[in-house]
Formats: sequence, structure tokens, C-alpha cells
Amino acid sequence: GQNIDQPTEMTATEGAIVQINCTYQTSGFNGLFWYQQHAGEAPTFLSYNVLDGLEEKGRFSSFLSRSKGYSYLLLKELQMKDSASYLCAVLDSNYQLIWGAGTKLIIKP
Amino acid sequence: DVKVTQSSRYLVKRTGEKVFLECVQDMDHENMFWYRQDPGLGLRLIYFSYDVKMKEKGDIPEGYSVSREKKERFSLILESASTNQTSMYLCASSPGDSGANVLTFGAGSRLTVL
Repeated sequence: GQNIDQPTEMTATEGAIVQINCTYQTSGFNGLFWYQQHAGEAPTFLSYNVLDGLEEKGRFSSFLSRSKGYSYLLLKELQMKDSASYLCAVLDSNYQLIWGAGTKLIIKP
Repeated sequence: DVKVTQSSRYLVKRTGEKVFLECVQDMDHENMFWYRQDPGLGLRLIYFSYDVKMKEKGDIPEGYSVSREKKERFSLILESASTNQTSMYLCASSPGDSGANVLTFGAGSRLTVL
């Protein structure tokens, strides 16, 4: 079966750095997405990786290793507004999205 | 600048009622999707549509149907609501070109079936 694993919840301190991991086992791979979802709001797109390596976008970076079936989202200089759930999703060989359950990130002052 | 609008944020219905969830997008996207989101689970695809009057079953279509009479509107219908359909329903859309498309989501419709 297809599976996406990410931690259920993480806590970090304002101003610090946090890394949210995502491991996947899917039938084929056509890219990996990260979305951010604040409580009660719509998920919004953060990043897309299809090749190995690190993609940096401001305070957020996303890394992919296809051989290891692994990705992480790195958030730097954490702000209170970064408190949200972070959803990892993989596009499989049929171009269908397989979603992880999401990681709830709690930022403390 | 809201781009995907779901008509109802919160609904409370009784078992057996027919429920309509409406979704409208203003980005001229070809693709539209209905997901449900439950605690501890990833988003699960109910139905999707790549064109007007076209629909495809997702992973959990049982108990649901959809309608896409116009490009901008994709409706989810629960013919006879049951308590296990209590959930958050998310509508999304994406452009029609092939490949990996970014989804734009609506804010969600939280349905409670009593």
C-alpha cells in the first residue's frame, strides 16, 4: 500500500529552527508537496520538490531524497504565525496525490 | 481575494437528510476536487473532475455524488447523510495542464450529522 509518515505534533520556540520530516512509500513518484494549514483555514501551497536536493524560499526550505523516500521542511527564525499544521503529499505514478496526516507545529514564546 | 469559495462553513444536518456542498472557483481552472479531512488521517479524495460534466471517483466515493454543470462550480451531494459523514470537507482546484499542479483550496465546510 501507499503510505506517508510524518510526526503528529512538534513544539518549537520562537526564533528557533525546526525540521519537519516526511517519509513516503508510494507506487511511483512525480513530486512531493508541502502545504501549510492554519487552524480553521484552507491549506496553502508552500513548496514542490521533484529532484533531489534543497529548495530554499525565504525562511522555508524543503529537501528531497528520492532514493531514501524522504523529505523535510525546514523553518528558520520561527514566528508565532508559523503555528499551523504542515501537510506532506506525494504525487504517485498515476499523478494522484497521496497525503500524510499532517504535523501540528506549536510555537512557544 | 478569495479564489475558491465554499458556500457553507458550518452545517448541522440530521441522519437521512440530503446535503449539498457548493464550491465555486474564479481562476478558470479545469480541475476540481472534493476531499474530506478527518483527525489523524491524510486528506482523502472523494471525487474529482477534469472538465465540465465530467467526474471521476476518488478513493472514498461511497455515499457521495457530484455535479459539475459549469466550469467554475463543483457540487458535492450526500444523498442520505449518515453520522460517519461528519467531517471537514475541502474543495480544491488546479489548472488543467498536465503534470504536477498546485492545488488552491477553499476554507472548508464542517459538516455535523446528528
